[in-house]
Amino acid sequence: EVRLVQSGAGVKKPGESLKISCKGSGYNFAEYFIAWLRQKPGKGLELMGIIYPGDSETRYRPAFQGQVTISADKSITTAYLQWRGLKASDSAMYYCARLREERRLQSSLDYWGQGTLLTVSS
Amino acid sequence: VLTQSPGTLSLSPGQRATLSCRASQTVSNNYLAWYQQKPGQAPRLLIYASSSRATGIPDRFSGSGSGTDFTLTISRLEPEDFAVYYCQQYDSFWLTFGGGTKVEIK
Repeated sequence: EVRLVQSGAGVKKPGESLKISCKGSGYNFAEYFIAWLRQKPGKGLELMGIIYPGDSETRYRPAFQGQVTISADKSITTAYLQWRGLKASDSAMYYCARLREERRLQSSLDYWGQGTLLTVSS
Repeated sequence: VLTQSPGTLSLSPGQRATLSCRASQTVSNNYLAWYQQKPGQAPRLLIYASSSRATGIPDRFSGSGSGTDFTLTISRLEPEDFAVYYCQQYDSFWLTFGGGTKVEIK
């Protein structure tokens, strides 16, 4: 069974750092792209970036370039999303999701993590 | 840009739901997917490649369309189908989503 399990919710202060995780199981983690998405309360879904765990090739949507860092460790089948210098506007639900087709960027998202809720408040 | 309509659809169980997704540019290869999201849950893939049902999705869900106009149809609404539905294109690397259609109980 394919599963993506994300780390738990976090409450942080502005300016702090955070790294959340997404652990994959039940499939060849290295061979499928992982996407990170943001969803603000009551709003739609935004792609932040994508990583290929096999070689850690990463692409960022321009709005998120320089704001977050996406990484992966294929040896422990885990992808990460990291912030240095959180802002209140980073408060949102964050999802990781697997691209459905092996090694293809042009693919839908077939398995999703349960989400990690981030609250940034002083 | 993907524009979904209507914003909200008020229907009763057993009725047919027709949701629209219009793209500002042609979506090549019908690289268009539909997702369902219930409150407090992650989205779930329903349809990919415009009309292919994802694993485990009931056949009351169907997708159609090509080019710039796509449709998700739920033939007979079940109580568990009341949710928000998003379309998504993956023709461009920048996977983009529509703003969503909320299907609510009338």
